Amino acid sequence: EADIYQTPRYLVIGTGKKITLECSQTMGHDKMYWYQQDPGMELHLIHYSYGVNSTEKGDLSSESTVSRIRTEHFPLTLESARPSHTSQYLCASSPRTVGGTNEKLFFGSGTQLSVL
Amino acid sequence: AQSVTQLGSHVSVSEGALVLLRCNYSSSVPPYLFWYVQYPNQGLQLLLKYTTGATLVKGINGFEAEFKKSETSFHLTKPSAHMSDAAEYFCAVSGLNYGQNFVFGPGTRLSVLP
Repeated sequence: EADIYQTPRYLVIGTGKKITLECSQTMGHDKMYWYQQDPGMELHLIHYSYGVNSTEKGDLSSESTVSRIRTEHFPLTLESARPSHTSQYLCASSPRTVGGTNEKLFFGSGTQLSVL
Repeated sequence: AQSVTQLGSHVSVSEGALVLLRCNYSSSVPPYLFWYVQYPNQGLQLLLKYTTGATLVKGINGFEAEFKKSETSFHLTKPSAHMSDAAEYFCAVSGLNYGQNFVFGPGTRLSVLP
């Protein structure tokens, strides 16, 4: 059912490298999100977007940045990766209902990032 | 601000036994309520949701949950556990306003013993 895609699925990279995690959805959803999740732990919202040219910081402070140039695309960038950035990053989107409410989150499969 | 608590970070049941995962929320108005399941190394998948109407909600894989406004609870149950149910389960709430973000509980890891 989910038409939201994240690449890469796994990424192992050295300290100091610049990385971009890709997220795309084909459902035409306006609102998109990035969550960070450590193994066996809760989800923390780090970024979200209401639509094109909209980006907002989430509840958890993050050194990453995001952009929203196209409705379907919401990439996350780390300019200089560090071991503390090792985590799973989950992208999600949600449709806007006719009544203007949140009815469901659709999740991608996640990117497991390891910074050595 | 909304918050979600899940009693028990880890629950173990025997195969065939009742599954009960607890979720309580705090909100000034009844929110939308969700249960998501996460299998290892995967994203989250919606199990079921309550928005309006019937307070007993049936979801996929035989799970169901009941919204109890007086108890501010939305506990997840399944009559008979299967080995494939072993996963992490997250309760979440969302406000009625599109501008409000989803708030997730800390999760409960369900283990199913043979």
